[in-house]
Amino acid sequence: AQSVTQPDIHITVSEGASLELRCNYSYGATPYLFWYVQSPGQGLQLLLKYFSGDTLVQGIKGFEAEFKRSQSSFNLRKPSVHWSDAAEYFCAVGLSGGYQKVTFGTGTKLQVIP
Amino acid sequence: GAVVSQHPSWVICKSGTSVKIECRSLDFQATTMFWYRQFPKQSLMLMATSNEGSKATYEQGVEKDKFLINHASLTLSTLTVTSAHPEDSSFYICSASPDPGANVLTFGAGSRLTVL
Repeated sequence: AQSVTQPDIHITVSEGASLELRCNYSYGATPYLFWYVQSPGQGLQLLLKYFSGDTLVQGIKGFEAEFKRSQSSFNLRKPSVHWSDAAEYFCAVGLSGGYQKVTFGTGTKLQVIP
Repeated sequence: GAVVSQHPSWVICKSGTSVKIECRSLDFQATTMFWYRQFPKQSLMLMATSNEGSKATYEQGVEKDKFLINHASLTLSTLTVTSAHPEDSSFYICSASPDPGANVLTFGAGSRLTVL
């Protein structure tokens, strides 16, 4: 079965600083990979996804993520964080061809300080 | 864009009562919807797959008699928490795929259940 690990439970960055959120997955075949963002009391919004092709994917709100098969990682990055980026971020993996049933990581809560 | 709507957003009920949560796809049809549960400061756990016109498929450990799922139409799935207890208090989120070819899910905003 697939699994997702987000090693950082909580990250604090200064506004304007760069950000990298880590995600490692475990799955035997080529996975479908996602990053979602959840604001307090809200549902999830898709930031970006990777299925195949270019391993560097661009998402909304200036986020990008890079798929590294050798490291089983799909880290999320943003060059300059804005205060509005404070939220919880979830990495998720889905079965190839079965993207609908995804497994989520435990999330990383991002705090942005002025 | 595709929207999944949940109602109610917040619900408080007394222990022993039943609560129904609705999940609607507003501008697309969904033969399949998914129900997740999120405990405070934890990730989302898939509870069940709701199938239009047939029985829901429950994940291991989820009590199907406790969490009744009905997918009566292509735009509506309901989750009923029966005989709710305080430990059922949680954030329930549904999702559906507006375009299977796009291979992504759209999530509702969630429904927070508090059982007193």
